[in-house]
Amino acid sequence: KQEVTQIPAALSVPEGENLVLNCSFTDSAIYNLQWFRQDPGKGLTSLLLIQSSQREQTSGRLNASLDKSSGRSTLYIAASQPGDSATYLCAVNDYKLSFGAGTTVTVRA
Amino acid sequence: GAVVSQHPSRVICKSGTSVKIECRSLDFQATTMFWYRQFPKKSLMLMATSNEGSKATYEQGVEKDKFLINHASLTLSTLTVTSAHPEDSSFYICSARTDVTEAFFGQGTRLTVV
Repeated sequence: KQEVTQIPAALSVPEGENLVLNCSFTDSAIYNLQWFRQDPGKGLTSLLLIQSSQREQTSGRLNASLDKSSGRSTLYIAASQPGDSATYLCAVNDYKLSFGAGTTVTVRA
Repeated sequence: GAVVSQHPSRVICKSGTSVKIECRSLDFQATTMFWYRQFPKKSLMLMATSNEGSKATYEQGVEKDKFLINHASLTLSTLTVTSAHPEDSSFYICSARTDVTEAFFGQGTRLTVV
């Protein structure tokens, strides 16, 4: 059974600092990995999807890397803003999507 | 990206009644839909996987008679919480996809059973 772990569970940084969120998974036989954002009481917003054959994906201030062999992905958010405050979830797709518990980010103005 | 519409977004029901939640893929045909449940400050727990025209496959520990899932068409899946109790109060989210590459999520339904 796929196990997905996200570290840290919570993170608080001052505005402008770069964020590094980590995700690890136990079974490397995956199709892809997705990063999502969830605001309190809301649904999921897809941020980035990395196919198993890719090493990284970028969108604006967001960059996600994938090392499938070691079972790790990292989401980088550059120059954080208060609007980046949310919970970030990674999900590993090995047909079913298995989610980590998330990292709750607070960016202080 | 593809759009998945989930309705209602919030529902309050009395204990013992049933509640139906709809999940629609608006601009694509979803061969597979997934239903998740999220407890407060916890991650998403997969409840069941449904394929159009087939019976849903439930995850271990999920009561199939309490959480009825119907995937009658390629654009619609429904989750019915039967004889709801306060412990069923939760955030339910559906996901739909056409193949294994990417899943698209609805906005979720906040169910409160009083």
